[in-house]
Amino acid sequence: SQQGEEDPQALSIQEGENATMNCSYKTSINNLQWYRQNSGRGLVHLILIRSNEREKHSGRLRVTLDTSKKSSSLLITASRAADTASYFCATDRGGSNYKLTFGKGTLLTVNP
Amino acid sequence: KAGVTQTPRYLIKTRGQQVTLSCSPISGHRSVSWYQQTPGQGLQFLFEYFSETQRNKGNFPGRFSGRQFSNSRSEMNVSTLELGDSALYLCASNDLGGTQYFGPGTRLLVL
Repeated sequence: SQQGEEDPQALSIQEGENATMNCSYKTSINNLQWYRQNSGRGLVHLILIRSNEREKHSGRLRVTLDTSKKSSSLLITASRAADTASYFCATDRGGSNYKLTFGKGTLLTVNP
Repeated sequence: KAGVTQTPRYLIKTRGQQVTLSCSPISGHRSVSWYQQTPGQGLQFLFEYFSETQRNKGNFPGRFSGRQFSNSRSEMNVSTLELGDSALYLCASNDLGGTQYFGPGTRLLVL
């Protein structure tokens, strides 16, 4: 079953604009990770945020985590056409549990 | 550092056959996870191996099995293939901090 739900399901923006994607989950988590997938290829790891962290940055990416609302957001600033992809959030429950539970993803289209 | 490799990349099989997929994790990683991705069900966890032992298993029938070797390479096997097994099968190499690094996947088509 899907743990997370990304919102929106699809997002279309112009190059240079910012893109924000949200993820909600149902149970307590240890880590939340964001991944990018281009056209049904492998998943590229973007960023991991731990349950005791509230915000994390990596280049043009900013991730926030609100454990009280069981939600996370991924902000991509100054989007480029190459950012066009599906973005997934995935959670795990920690310990020796390496099972990731994925959301359905957000399809981001960045128009040149 | 080399990434995660999966072989083969593409596979076509017929119903009733069996298939074996292979995954080589990042050097030094001892945990490997497998996932199935389909348009209808999305990304679903199959199983996870650590030091040749299966630690976690998803909700898949017994036709799906796996193993891990002493060099951390892993294989998954699907027996008696069904049309619904057509999917992208992804292997992930897991570090001790919980980050999972995925391979390019094996796309399986069952006819």
